Amino acid sequence: GDSVTQMEGPVTLSEEAFLTINCTYTATGYPSLFWYVQYPGEGLQLLLKATKADDKGSNKGFEATYRKETTSFHLEKGSVQVSDSAVYFCALGTMNYGGSQGNLIFGKGTKLSVKP
Amino acid sequence: NAGVTQTPKFQVLKTGQSMTLQCAQDMNHNSMYWYRQDPGMGLRLIYYSASEGTTDKGEVPNGYNVSRLNKREFSLRLESAAPSQTSVYFCASSDRGQGNTIYFGEGSWLTVV
Repeated sequence: GDSVTQMEGPVTLSEEAFLTINCTYTATGYPSLFWYVQYPGEGLQLLLKATKADDKGSNKGFEATYRKETTSFHLEKGSVQVSDSAVYFCALGTMNYGGSQGNLIFGKGTKLSVKP
Repeated sequence: NAGVTQTPKFQVLKTGQSMTLQCAQDMNHNSMYWYRQDPGMGLRLIYYSASEGTTDKGEVPNGYNVSRLNKREFSLRLESAAPSQTSVYFCASSDRGQGNTIYFGEGSWLTVV
């Protein structure tokens, strides 16, 4: 079945460091790919998404490129800030669940801590 | 900018008690979902509703029931709470017209003692 695997955390970085959080997926068909972020005590917020191969999603300095050949959707940011400390979830969106709608399959989440 | 609103935010239950988590969305979305989030497990789908009047089981439906009261509201009921249901519960909604992006509520922290 469809699945998402993302790197385990926690990840601890210094401010202004480069961030990569790896995400790979297994899916039939042509899923959409998402990164969600969860700040402490809050719900999940969509960070970025890509709906087809070679698409690049970007938001708030974060980027991820949908790589069909490597089945990957790695999250990157060139210079992290303390305010980026959160849990990041990679997710795969499929239209196959129930046959008539979209649903998300989540990775287990990667906790990022950024130190000043 | 309400989006998805769920209540209560925090609840402590005794084993065997029942309760209902309420969820409402104001985005006119057709699809609604209930997820639970447990440490190291990511989010797992409990139930979903593709449209008003329909509900279907997700990955972990045992011990839960749902009601899609109308297009806006989707409730989750625990009939006889168990400690294994201690979790954070998220309601969400989506619509095909928005590329199936799923929007989440802020979560309900439930502890069963």
